[in-house]
Amino acid sequence: TQTVSQSDAHVTVFEGDSVELRCNYSYGGSIYLSWYIQHHGHGLQFLLKYYSGNPVVQGVNGFEAEFSKSDSSFHLRKASVHWSDSAVYFCAVSARANTGKLTFGDGTVLTVKP
Amino acid sequence: EAAVTQSPRNKVAVTGGKVTLSCNQTNNHNNMYWYRQDTGHGLRLIHYSYGAGSTEKGDIPDGYKASRPSQENFSLILELATPSQTSVYFCASGDASQSNTEVFFGKGTRLTVV
Repeated sequence: TQTVSQSDAHVTVFEGDSVELRCNYSYGGSIYLSWYIQHHGHGLQFLLKYYSGNPVVQGVNGFEAEFSKSDSSFHLRKASVHWSDSAVYFCAVSARANTGKLTFGDGTVLTVKP
Repeated sequence: EAAVTQSPRNKVAVTGGKVTLSCNQTNNHNNMYWYRQDTGHGLRLIHYSYGAGSTEKGDIPDGYKASRPSQENFSLILELATPSQTSVYFCASGDASQSNTEVFFGKGTRLTVV
């Protein structure tokens, strides 16, 4: 069984600040990690994924995430946030690459103040 | 562009009644999924399907049935709705190929059981 923990329920920053949203997972085997964004009243949209290779992966809109096997982490970062980045961010894991059988964290609400 | 359409978008049902949530995808994806999202939490997998005629139980299948009559359509059925099934339901589709783990979500159906 895999589990996902997003330790920060809420993060508030100002426009132009950098931000890191944390994700830790537990699973004994090969794991595939992804991040999704959910704007209010909408479904989830894919941001980025990792399953092998370079541990730093680039996603859409300037987001990147870094995988660490030793820390069991997959933290999401952005160097300079915009007000439109305000949303809920979900980290998700799956045991196989080609599956949408995802286990989600509880999400982090990111608020970007002007 | 990949599209997953859910209907209805909002539904109020009475306890003990039958509810059917519908999902249509134009992505020609083999895999489809039903998730529920409760306030302050991530999504949890109810049922999924690998193709027409196939349905599989997810992590929380009790009280739900699923039907996949065609590649494009995947329904979630609550035979006897209960207030505990009040939630937002998301349908998703995904490509079964090894190289693509992106999953596309619909906009959600808000179900209230009174």
